[in-house]
Amino acid sequence: EIVMTQSPATLSVSPGDRVTLSCRASQSFSSNLAWYQQKPGQAPRLLIYGASTRATGIPARFSGSESGTEFTLTISSLQSEDFAVYFCQQYHNWPYTFGQGTKLEIK
Amino acid sequence: QVQFVQSGAEVKEPGASVRVSCKASGYTFTNFAIHWVRQAPGQRLAWMGRINTAQGNTKYSEKFQGRVTFTRDTSATTAYMELSSLTSEDTAVYYCAMDLQNYSDAFDIWGQGTLVTVSS
Repeated sequence: EIVMTQSPATLSVSPGDRVTLSCRASQSFSSNLAWYQQKPGQAPRLLIYGASTRATGIPARFSGSESGTEFTLTISSLQSEDFAVYFCQQYHNWPYTFGQGTKLEIK
Repeated sequence: QVQFVQSGAEVKEPGASVRVSCKASGYTFTNFAIHWVRQAPGQRLAWMGRINTAQGNTKYSEKFQGRVTFTRDTSATTAYMELSSLTSEDTAVYYCAMDLQNYSDAFDIWGQGTLVTVSS
């Protein structure tokens, strides 16, 4: 099973900040990586698939990248509605696995 | 629009079974697999497996193998997840999810979640 490790667990940030979230995979695979946003009481919402492609309707301030086993989600200018928990997911091999999440909180 | 509507919250005793339904609408039900994902308190999301809605064949995560069963009713456009031999560790929100846009199994459609509480 591929283990996904996210860092940091919590990030205290301010609106307007540029934010970078990390996700590391325990083994190498190419591009089958998604990022989700989850707000309290809601289902996850797909932001990025294929490591770097925005899903339909996702604002351009969200971007993804990959380098080896490291994947990154960047929010270029944080908006108030972006305070949430973010998860990465690999869908390269069964069982699909998720990271433990990074929570963005208001500084 | 495409949506999943899941059944309501359940409270079960240890050792019991639970069945959660996921009613699909807005698309051709048999064109897409449905996956099940659970989120236990303080735990990361866990993929439980998937069902091919056209043929009915299933793939289960080893973590749940032997305790979970996925079925579907194509006439009712509904998928079901049954989990048996429940323990307190099965207390979680259970989601059905799907890749509608052919993102290679990144899930862009999610149900609203069903809370299953296991308690004596």
